[in-house]
Amino acid sequence: DGGITQSPKYLFRKEGQNVTLSCEQNLNHDAMYWYRQDPGQGLRLIYYSQIVNDFQKGDIAEGYSVSREKKESFPLTVTSAQKNPTAFYLCASSILGVAFNQPQHFGDGTRLSIL
Amino acid sequence: GQQLNQSPQSMFIQEGEDVSMNCTSSSIFNTWLWYKQDPGEGPVLLIALYKAGELTSNGRLTAQFGITRKDSFLNISASIPSDVGIYFCAGPVRGNTPLVFGKGTRLSVIA
Repeated sequence: DGGITQSPKYLFRKEGQNVTLSCEQNLNHDAMYWYRQDPGQGLRLIYYSQIVNDFQKGDIAEGYSVSREKKESFPLTVTSAQKNPTAFYLCASSILGVAFNQPQHFGDGTRLSIL
Repeated sequence: GQQLNQSPQSMFIQEGEDVSMNCTSSSIFNTWLWYKQDPGEGPVLLIALYKAGELTSNGRLTAQFGITRKDSFLNISASIPSDVGIYFCAGPVRGNTPLVFGKGTRLSVIA
């Protein structure tokens, strides 16, 4: 079955550490996205990528970095510069349509906590 | 940034009741999407709307794209316990930027 796989499901970070969240899709989608979800805040866009080797900042990119070396993969690194990283992180993908109007398909998320 | 206003923020209903929720924006949208998120999982697409006035059903769910193109509505008929979750609306705000999501409506169903 096609889908989006996020790993790990739960992740713990020590102060000052960088951690990388994995996102892989086999839907042959061109576009991929990372969102952060906090209670009562909805989904906020961190980074997105429309094509391999290219990506753009979203609304809350500070303290995060991404890479897009393969179409199927879009890992997110939470750096030590992100002072409040505890959140639920969601990865999504979509086909490219007119004005981003195509639905996004989501993975099951990674919950990151600070030790 | 642009926000979508969803209401109500939360709802507690009896099993079997009908549910209505809506989403409004100050900008005109060309697409409205409705998602449901179960606890600890990612959102799942329920209904996609692409035309003003469009009314689309998916089982007990019905969504409408408002005529003004600044709002959308989601109705759930005869609610059941598995309807519990957070319902999000989403849409592309500007010409070439990704979807913006509302803050969600949290639905609780009392058996």
